[in-house]
Amino acid sequence: SQQGEEDPQALSIQEGENATMNCSYKTSINNLQWYRQNSGRGLVHLILIRSNEREKHSGRLRVTLDTSKKSSSLLITASRAADTASYFCATGGGSNYKLTFGKGTLLTVNP
Amino acid sequence: DTAVSQTPKYLVTQMGNDKSIKCEQNLGHDTMYWYKQDSKKFLKIMFSYNNKELIINETVPNRFSPKSPDKAHLNLHINSLELGDSAVYFCASSPTSGETQYFGPGTRLLVL
Repeated sequence: SQQGEEDPQALSIQEGENATMNCSYKTSINNLQWYRQNSGRGLVHLILIRSNEREKHSGRLRVTLDTSKKSSSLLITASRAADTASYFCATGGGSNYKLTFGKGTLLTVNP
Repeated sequence: DTAVSQTPKYLVTQMGNDKSIKCEQNLGHDTMYWYKQDSKKFLKIMFSYNNKELIINETVPNRFSPKSPDKAHLNLHINSLELGDSAVYFCASSPTSGETQYFGPGTRLLVL
């Protein structure tokens, strides 16, 4: 069953702007991850945030997690054309032996 | 030095045929997975294997049979292909109980 729901489904911005994507999930979690998928390619892990963390940074990425609202957001600052991709949140993994993905947000960064 | 590789990259075939997709990882991981991504880009787990043992079979039709000859390989055989099998199939791997998964480039299957 689908766990995460991202919004927006598609986002188009200009280079240099910030992009924010949101993800909601249904069940309790140990962690939440974000993955990027470039067109025609496999998924690449970006960042993992644990259920006891509120915020995490990695380079131009900032992830927040609100377990009371069962939601997470991914902020990409100072976006670049190379950030154009689909972004997925995922829950599970580890001893769960599977990731459950949301529908993804297609981000287009225009030069 | 590709971490997770899949062959073939593209597969176009007729309904009713049988086909196989191969996956290999050189990361030394114990756990491997098959995911299916449909035309709307929705990703769903199909199978998980840990140390060559089947852990998860997520209500996948019997026409799909995974095989893990060793920890570094997880192949997927599909019998009697149907139109609805058209999708992108991703292999992934992780250490046992590892939360992050490493994905292959995908195999684009088109059933005509």
